[in-house]
Amino acid sequence: AQSVTQLDSHVSVSEGTPVLLRCNYSSSYSPSLFWYVQHPNKGLQLLLKYTSAATLVKGINGFEAEFKKSETSFHLTKPSAHMSDAAEYFCVVSEGRGSGGYQKVTFGTGTKLQVIP
Amino acid sequence: DAGITQSPRHKVTETGTPVTLRCHQTENHRYMYWYRQDPGHGLRLIHYSYGVKDTDKGEVSDGYSVSRSKTEDFLLTLESATSSQTSVYFCAISEWAIRNQPQHFGDGTRLSIL
Repeated sequence: AQSVTQLDSHVSVSEGTPVLLRCNYSSSYSPSLFWYVQHPNKGLQLLLKYTSAATLVKGINGFEAEFKKSETSFHLTKPSAHMSDAAEYFCVVSEGRGSGGYQKVTFGTGTKLQVIP
Repeated sequence: DAGITQSPRHKVTETGTPVTLRCHQTENHRYMYWYRQDPGHGLRLIHYSYGVKDTDKGEVSDGYSVSRSKTEDFLLTLESATSSQTSVYFCAISEWAIRNQPQHFGDGTRLSIL
């Protein structure tokens, strides 16, 4: 079984300071991991994905995440926060095809990022 | 951005009425999914489709039905809406059902049932 835990429901940072959003996962297999961002009244947009190639993954808008198997973590970081980064972020784990033949993914409960001017 | 259109974007209706939400894609992807998003729960899978007329249940399928008569359209129906179905509904698509395949999402339908 797979599961995802986002350790903080809310994170507040000042503009220009680093961002750290934490995600731990559990999986019986070698999973793929994704981070999505959701702006108000919008759908989820893919930020980056880990698929067992490089453990440090770079995404859009200056975000990156590091896959640490020993810690079962996939934390999202950004060196300097912008006001436009204020949104909700979701960590997602995928083990692949579920018993019903579809791609089984599990979503974290989300972290709301507030950026203070 | 993936070509996914959900309609309507907002709907308010009364308990006991039928409701149909539509998802339309222009990517010709095989897999389509309906999720609901509720505070504290992330996104939960309602139903999915792996081809025309091929659908199956997800983890929260009670009270919902789906249909897919064309590759591009996936309909979600609440036969008799209840207040517990007030939520934001997202459609997603993917080309393959493999672990490294990201899903792409529409902008959602906000449904309120009074």
